[in-house]
Amino acid sequence: GENVEQHPSTLSVQEGDSAVIKCTYSDSASNYFPWYKQELGKGPQLIIDIRSNVGEKKDQRIAVTLNKTAKHFSLHITETQPEDSAVYFCAALDGSARQLTFGSGTQLTVLP
Amino acid sequence: ETGVTQTPRHLVMGMTNKKSLKCEQHLGHNAMYWYKQSAKKPLELMFVYSLEERVENNSVPSRFSPECPNSSHLFLHLHTLQPEDSALYLCASSQALRGTGDGYTFGSGTRLTVV
Repeated sequence: GENVEQHPSTLSVQEGDSAVIKCTYSDSASNYFPWYKQELGKGPQLIIDIRSNVGEKKDQRIAVTLNKTAKHFSLHITETQPEDSAVYFCAALDGSARQLTFGSGTQLTVLP
Repeated sequence: ETGVTQTPRHLVMGMTNKKSLKCEQHLGHNAMYWYKQSAKKPLELMFVYSLEERVENNSVPSRFSPECPNSSHLFLHLHTLQPEDSALYLCASSQALRGTGDGYTFGSGTRLTVV
């Protein structure tokens, strides 16, 4: 089955700086890669996703890049703000398209 | 609210109790999921239902029993749980099992503590 690894597990940045979270996956047939943000006391919320036919996608301060050859994808947050502080999860939809496999999460802290 | 509502938000139960978690989605989705979220571990898929039919059961102990009476409701029946079952239980839904659509929509979860 699919295996997703996520790094780092914790990340602290100064407000206004950029944050980068990286994930690798094992199933070369995986074709959909969403990112979720989980705030305290809430369930994960989809913030951006990318499909395997695209190399990069951007939505305001958030961007995701995908390298299919190397089987890794990354989340980039620019001009970070305190409200960006949360746990971020990457995920990959396996080749059979039956289930999402999640990374172990990154606790992002934006320091004012 | 995200369109997926879970109740209760918090639950404390003894090892001999029987309780149920409820999930309701108001998004017209056809697939629903139960995930377990433990501290410092990846989200673990427990069950998948598509159009009220269970299509995945990821080696979950029989003390967890899912029920999907219709495409909008999903239950997780709990009995004789163990302390290691204490976790956040998340329900999610998606437009279709195989389509990616807009991804999964999660509820806020039920924080379960087994004493």
